Amino acid sequence: EADIYQTPRYLVIGTGKKITLECSQTMGHDKMYWYQQDPGMELHLIHYSYGVNSTEKGDLSSESTVSRIRTEHFPLTLESARPSHTSQYLCASSDRDEDEQFFGPGTRLTVL
Amino acid sequence: RKEVEQDPGPFNVPEGATVAFNCTYSNSASQSFFWYRQDCRKEPKLLMSVYSSGNEDGRFTAQLNRASQYISLLIRDSKLSDSATYLCVVLTGGATNKLIFGTGTLLAVQP
Repeated sequence: EADIYQTPRYLVIGTGKKITLECSQTMGHDKMYWYQQDPGMELHLIHYSYGVNSTEKGDLSSESTVSRIRTEHFPLTLESARPSHTSQYLCASSDRDEDEQFFGPGTRLTVL
Repeated sequence: RKEVEQDPGPFNVPEGATVAFNCTYSNSASQSFFWYRQDCRKEPKLLMSVYSSGNEDGRFTAQLNRASQYISLLIRDSKLSDSATYLCVVLTGGATNKLIFGTGTLLAVQP
């Protein structure tokens, strides 16, 4: 089993609230990723990091931000949640680009 | 046109059947190829990498055709537990070097 964790697993929150989705891994992987996936749709990369203090935006435009202060930790923040942010957010990590990405269990976010 | 295209299915097959999934990719510079499996409301997990020479893992066989930019996955002797969505995934390579996921093909194995 992969050692990558996400909290919370489920979150229902009102419009305008600030939220932070947590992701941590204990595998010592340098590379970490955030994906967004709507039901029945493909995963879209929204942020990635190649190491501490490295963050990049992915292919899908997102109003969220990320930080990478420690290797094992890659939190995602939404300053003001909106109903359009309702989705599943999946965190992943890998040792190298060409290697397997290990996914966390995901956070299902619902913004009312 | 999407960078990675798959038939979304669903593929409804009886136990014991052989089923094949196909996938095409648009970026000829793509370097690495994978099949991931995603169960309903779960995270994706790597099923197998796809090598140029083709590779087999038990009942699963993956093949790559770089000239046609085409990847396939064959599942023999389907089990009920094979029911899931199978994601074709391509590593783009070059400066971007990111994984691109297909929408997935849903397989439902019937008793």
